[in-house]
Amino acid sequence: GESVGLHLPTLSVQEGDNSIINCAYSNSASDYFIWYKQESGKGPQFIIDIRSNMDKRQGQRVTVLLNKTVKHLSLQIAATQPGDSAVYFCAETAGGGNKLTFGTGTQLKVEL
Amino acid sequence: KAGVTQTPRYLIKTRGQQVTLSCSPISGHRSVSWYQQTPGQGLQFLFEYFSETQRNKGNFPGRFSGRQFSNSRSEMNVSTLELGDSALYLCASSLGDRRDIQYFGAGTRLSVL
Repeated sequence: GESVGLHLPTLSVQEGDNSIINCAYSNSASDYFIWYKQESGKGPQFIIDIRSNMDKRQGQRVTVLLNKTVKHLSLQIAATQPGDSAVYFCAETAGGGNKLTFGTGTQLKVEL
Repeated sequence: KAGVTQTPRYLIKTRGQQVTLSCSPISGHRSVSWYQQTPGQGLQFLFEYFSETQRNKGNFPGRFSGRQFSNSRSEMNVSTLELGDSALYLCASSLGDRRDIQYFGAGTRLSVL
């Protein structure tokens, strides 16, 4: 039969507005977090990362905020552009080795 | 610098067959990780290889296996294919420390008929 897909939350914003994408994580031992952007037909592309000893990090047009108390991560995109339309994933890692645990993703749609 | 290269980009197989996917990491990267992406389960970690040794393993059956060569290139094998194995298989490479950025390839789209 037909498989049921994950329900991807969708965020629609107007071009030029700021976007905020949220992510909750459950592993209190996670100490490194990454945001990835995935466009249709492509692999995930690194956007920005943050370690657990920080609560904010800024990049070009993007800011990541980490709240370890409530296990919450957010990605802020300033002056959102049509090229920002994609699915955004948060990912976390804890312990040894390179095992990333991904969130379900958020579809960002930028309206002209 | 070339990115992560995965071959082939698309594959069609039938149930019961086996398949081998290839991943060439970014030059200098020693860690290669594999992920499965499906609409139903999202992105799930399969395993990670570092210096030719499996360093981490996800919760997949033994039909899924991999290896890494001395030049850090990696292959992933799936035996006795099932319909549910249809997915986008992604490879990511990094320098090796778990807090090094993982860079992804474009993936191999596997369809099992």
